[in-house]
Amino acid sequence: SQKIEQNSEALNIQEGKTATLTCNYTNYSPAYLQWYRQDPGRGPVFLLLIRENEKEKRKERLKVTFDTTLKQSLFHITASQPADSATYLCALGGSSGNTPLVFGKGTRLSVIA
Amino acid sequence: SAVISQKPSRDICQRGTSLTIQCQVDSQVTMMFWYRQQPGQSLTLIATANQGSEATYESGFVIDKFPISRPNLTFSTLTVSNMSPEDSSIYLCSVDISGSGNTIYFGEGSWLTVV
Repeated sequence: SQKIEQNSEALNIQEGKTATLTCNYTNYSPAYLQWYRQDPGRGPVFLLLIRENEKEKRKERLKVTFDTTLKQSLFHITASQPADSATYLCALGGSSGNTPLVFGKGTRLSVIA
Repeated sequence: SAVISQKPSRDICQRGTSLTIQCQVDSQVTMMFWYRQQPGQSLTLIATANQGSEATYESGFVIDKFPISRPNLTFSTLTVSNMSPEDSSIYLCSVDISGSGNTIYFGEGSWLTVV
């Protein structure tokens, strides 16, 4: 069955450092991969999408890589701030936008001032 | 962008009762998705709701337990029937505006506690 693993349940880093979160998957060939941010008591907020034919995508301080050979995505937040503290979810999507997403359990990031 | 409103945002429910959650979108969308997020877990898709047809349920979810309505392109309801404490969860509706995966929005969720 499809399986998605995010590297750790929780990650603590110092303000100003780069946070790197990992998403690994098995038994799946996604057409794209997404990253979401979820704050306590809130619904997930879409951050970035990267397609299977893309190696890297950037948006402001965020960078996502996608290695379909390793079946892995890395999510980087550079110059991290305490406001970046949240749970980050990765999700895999099929070939059609109407294919439901499969989510990982998320990594809870804490950026310490 | 899209704004998704869910009601109720929170509720405490008695065992054996049913509760209907409403999801209103500020634009017309073809498909709406209902997810469940149990404590400490990730999001699990319950069903996909198309306007004008029966909802499509994922493995482990059945219509008798989670009936869904989709009367128009901006609205859907999910009912959690005959609730037990195991149904205590966050229920989220989601839409994909363009169908490309790049325009996915979630509601804030409905937090249900069954006692």
